[in-house]
Order: sequence, then C-alpha cells, then structure tokens
Amino acid sequence: DQQVKQNSPSLSVQEGRISILNCDYTNSMFDYFLWYKKYPAEGPTFLISISSIKDKNEDGRFTVFLNKSAKHLSLHIVPSQPGDSAVYFCAASAYGSSNTGKLIFGQGTTLQVKP
Amino acid sequence: EAGVTQFPSHSVIEKGQTVTLRCDPISGHDNLYWYRRVMGKEIKFLLHFVKESKQDESGMPNNRFLAERTGGTYSTLKVQPAELEDSGVYFCASSQVAGFNSPLHFGNGTRLTVT
Repeated sequence: DQQVKQNSPSLSVQEGRISILNCDYTNSMFDYFLWYKKYPAEGPTFLISISSIKDKNEDGRFTVFLNKSAKHLSLHIVPSQPGDSAVYFCAASAYGSSNTGKLIFGQGTTLQVKP
Repeated sequence: EAGVTQFPSHSVIEKGQTVTLRCDPISGHDNLYWYRRVMGKEIKFLLHFVKESKQDESGMPNNRFLAERTGGTYSTLKVQPAELEDSGVYFCASSQVAGFNSPLHFGNGTRLTVT
C-alpha cells in the first residue's frame, strides 16, 4: 500500500522551460511534504518543503504547490536548467501525530533537461 | 561541517554471508535513520534512532537485519544471513531534531549486491 505516489517515472523538458513534477498521497495525517533531488551515486539532497498549513512555498526557481483537498502536490522548476537533470523524490511525514521524523517517499521521477 | 558518511560504498557478497554497513551521522545529530531503495523503486524507511534508542523499527524487513547505535554516535546495520532480495542501496540519514524545518541529510548510500 503505497501512501505517496509519483505516477510519472520520467519527464523531459527543454532548457529554459518549466518542469512540473507531480505527487499524490493517500494519508490525510501527513502534515509536512518535501522534495528531494538525487544525482547518480549520491544520496538524496533536500530541495524544498511545505507545511500542510500552506498551499505554496517558493525558493528561487523552485516552487511547491499543495492541494490538500485533492491530496496532491507539485514541484515547479522555472526556468529549467541542464543541471536540474536528476531523480526527484516526493516525501511526506506526519510530524504532528508521530513526531518521529519518518519520511514516506514516492518512487521518484527522472527529470531530463535538454540543452 | 562534514556530511553523513557511509561505508562501504559498494559491497558484493554471496547469499548466506554476513555484511555490516556503517553510518556516521552529522556531528550533533541525535536522529539517525536507515532507508533502503530496491530496484529503482521508492526509498523505504527501515528504522529510526534517537541517540542510542530505537524510536521506530517498523520498517525492518525481518530478523536477519540488526541495527545498532552504541553510544549514540555511529550506527551499523548488519544483514545475516544475506538473501538475494536484500540487494539494493542502503541510505543513512540524520537530523538534529525530528520535526518541521529539520530535513533529513542523507549519505551517499551503500550499494549491496547479493549473488
């Protein structure tokens, strides 16, 4: 039973355009959502997060949108750059109820940004 | 500040053998997590230490896996005896606190191959 799903295994965009990565979740107890980026042979690195009390968080070229009623979040990268090519993982946690810091990850989406 | 370090980076063992993975968290991080990614799927939670205590070990697959964190510093994850399905990348992560605004910092992982 996968609580966090990234239904698109891969995405290819042209440099300078917008990349939109999507994530769906099923557990209504999740109150904190994160995106991690992973390069080959490296561990995931934290990118951006959002609390369930917000619907948008922006950090430079990266913006995360949260739609709680649809249990959906998305990561927008604009403009996309070739260095953004990586695997992007969506993750969620129920800090308010569990306080363990345990993250539930999706399967990842491989983003390729073409020059 | 040194990041999370894991050793070895790769390990190839035969079915039935024993392997021990080591993780050194970021200094001062009381929370230490083990995760595993199998065959390009989602990154799955294994367990969570707070200092030397196991806070949550609900993700441990079976009793062939033993995690320790003596003294609350580095941690080891032992697989004994290893099975083919144990192959994957084992990630360690740490955080100062288990909560909002304290994202997990991941190591580069240990790629375990059981033949």
